[in-house]
Amino acid sequence: KAGVTQTPRYLIKTRGQQVTLSCSPISGHRSVSWYQQTPGQGLQFLFEYFSETQRNKGNFPGRFSGRQFSNSRSEMNVSTLELGDSALYLCASSLTSVNTGELFFGEGSRLTVL
Amino acid sequence: EDQVTQSPEALRLQEGESSSLNCSYTVSGLRGLFWYRQDPGKGPEFLFTLYSAGEEKEKERLKATLTKKESFLHITAPKPEDSATYLCAVQGAGANSKLTFGKGITLSVRP
Repeated sequence: KAGVTQTPRYLIKTRGQQVTLSCSPISGHRSVSWYQQTPGQGLQFLFEYFSETQRNKGNFPGRFSGRQFSNSRSEMNVSTLELGDSALYLCASSLTSVNTGELFFGEGSRLTVL
Repeated sequence: EDQVTQSPEALRLQEGESSSLNCSYTVSGLRGLFWYRQDPGKGPEFLFTLYSAGEEKEKERLKATLTKKESFLHITAPKPEDSATYLCAVQGAGANSKLTFGKGITLSVRP
């Protein structure tokens, strides 16, 4: 079956702009979580959505937001981009909830902020 | 706050040279400890879940073990295709507790 699909795979933005990233989970999976990965900080949890509701949120500023649609597809948005937002953004889906710990990750969206 | 420390940061092995990767953790009530493998340019791939001290899981050349403070990923007779970054994560027992990842161990296996 098809895996987790993230778009776009690569993008370049300038400081102050905003960006929207998209994630299509594995069919039947209702939970989508987002992570930021950088060489210095590793994988850091952004938020999790389950059945269109945000269940949990990491320690990121309000510039980072997300949503989930009725078909379980999810988007995350970063407004007023900063240089430090350059990272690989990973989406993961799971059948029920992130509580299972068994996540299926997409290949990520690599964001570069100039 | 949950914390995960992985060591060493990088490990270079000769093909066939067995070794272990360490994951030390502090968590308020462990719901589960997870190992993932990440290849360059890819997202992490789930390997194992461990729930309680003394538990062991095996998959091909990999064996994961768990104590109350750390987990080990033992690699027996590694091959070049085992080269990857190995990530450890923990989840606390609280409701809707998030996964906390370590920074990973980059393993390189030379032929």
